[in-house]
Amino acid sequence: AQSVTQLGSHVSVSEGALVLLRCNYSSSVPPYLFWYVQYPNQGLQLLLKYTSAATLVKGINGFEAEFKKSETSFHLTKPSAHMSDAAEYFCAVSVTNAGKSTFGDGTTLTVKP
Amino acid sequence: EAGVAQSPRYKIIEKRQSVAFWCNPISGHATLYWYQQILGQGPKLLIQFQNNGVVDDSQLPKDRFSAERLKGVDSTLKIQPAKLEDSAVYLCASSANQAGGTDTQYFGPGTRLTVL
Repeated sequence: AQSVTQLGSHVSVSEGALVLLRCNYSSSVPPYLFWYVQYPNQGLQLLLKYTSAATLVKGINGFEAEFKKSETSFHLTKPSAHMSDAAEYFCAVSVTNAGKSTFGDGTTLTVKP
Repeated sequence: EAGVAQSPRYKIIEKRQSVAFWCNPISGHATLYWYQQILGQGPKLLIQFQNNGVVDDSQLPKDRFSAERLKGVDSTLKIQPAKLEDSAVYLCASSANQAGGTDTQYFGPGTRLTVL
């Protein structure tokens, strides 16, 4: 079975500062990894996904994540936070191409002016 | 391209009542998922359909929850009778299930259920 742990349920940064959201996964087979963003009263939107190609994955809105097998991590970063980045972020893992994803409990990102 | 549609967006019921949610996936998407998202938690898969067949319903509380996907397109999720702990957002997602690559799930806006 696979699982995801997101470290820090709330992260607060100043506008223009580095964003770092942490995700560690557990999987018995090579995983597929995802980051989603959820704005209030909306569904989840895919930011980026890791599919065993390049370990550094670039996504939308300037976000990127690096797959580190030795650390079983897939942390999400953005060099400079924008007010519009304030939202909840979910890390997810899947072990098949078209199977279900197991989600972490989410990290709420607050961006201070 | 139209996204995943869900209705209603909000529903308030009393415990022991029944409720149904509807989902219309992206046109042509073979796979449909229902997730339950309790406040403060990540989404948890309830059931996955491939066309009109069930692929995974291992976490669906079958004594009170049921779901169907007739004709492999729209889907309904029903709760009967509802309990207080069913208060959550119910998310529907769909994916094309293309061979090769990773199957991206597209999520609807969800239905927020409050059970009083």
